[in-house]
Amino acid sequence: GIQVEQSPPDLILQEGANSTLRCNFSDSVNNLQWFHQNPWGQLINLFYIPSGTKQNGRLSATTVATERYSLLYISSSQTTDSGVYFCAVDGYSGAGSYQLTFGKGTKL
Amino acid sequence: DVKVTQSSRYLVKRTGEKVFLECVQDMDHENMFWYRQDPGLGLRLIYFSYDVKMKEKGDIPEGYSVSREKKERFSLILESASTNQTSMYLCASSFGRAGNTIYFGEGSWLTVV
Repeated sequence: GIQVEQSPPDLILQEGANSTLRCNFSDSVNNLQWFHQNPWGQLINLFYIPSGTKQNGRLSATTVATERYSLLYISSSQTTDSGVYFCAVDGYSGAGSYQLTFGKGTKL
Repeated sequence: DVKVTQSSRYLVKRTGEKVFLECVQDMDHENMFWYRQDPGLGLRLIYFSYDVKMKEKGDIPEGYSVSREKKERFSLILESASTNQTSMYLCASSFGRAGNTIYFGEGSWLTVV
């Protein structure tokens, strides 16, 4: 199956700093999503971004599908950004499939 | 807003007990999922369902079963709980085929003693 690798595994930031999280995947995808899991365990969808660039406030994401990676940018970080960030992909199967494969996350 | 509700936030069960984890979604989603999350392993798919009474095995189905009698409800069953099933369990749902946003419940922390 498709492999998803995230880096770095851990990240410590001063409040106000910027950061970039990376997600590499091993095959073509038709669905890529970024999630934030808060310290209480709730997973929130941040972006659905199989290709291109999207922005939402201080967060933005870029996926370069041809090179099989996605980046999540966090600007002017705040304490509420703490948690774990997951990338999840759904490999292309022609007819589409129902399940996402998750990376192991970046703990911020 | 989409709401995925898991019936129990924290459970402690004894080895050998039968355990039911319930999940309900209120957005008429076709697809529902059960994941387990363990430190260093990320989220791993146990089972998913794309329609009532339909189920498909995920990556780690051993020791688990599921039930989907109604569209809004997806239950995860541990027939005989074991200590290696101590974990956080996450239910999720999504609409239609691949390519749609997936929504998660708050998680159920299960400890088997």
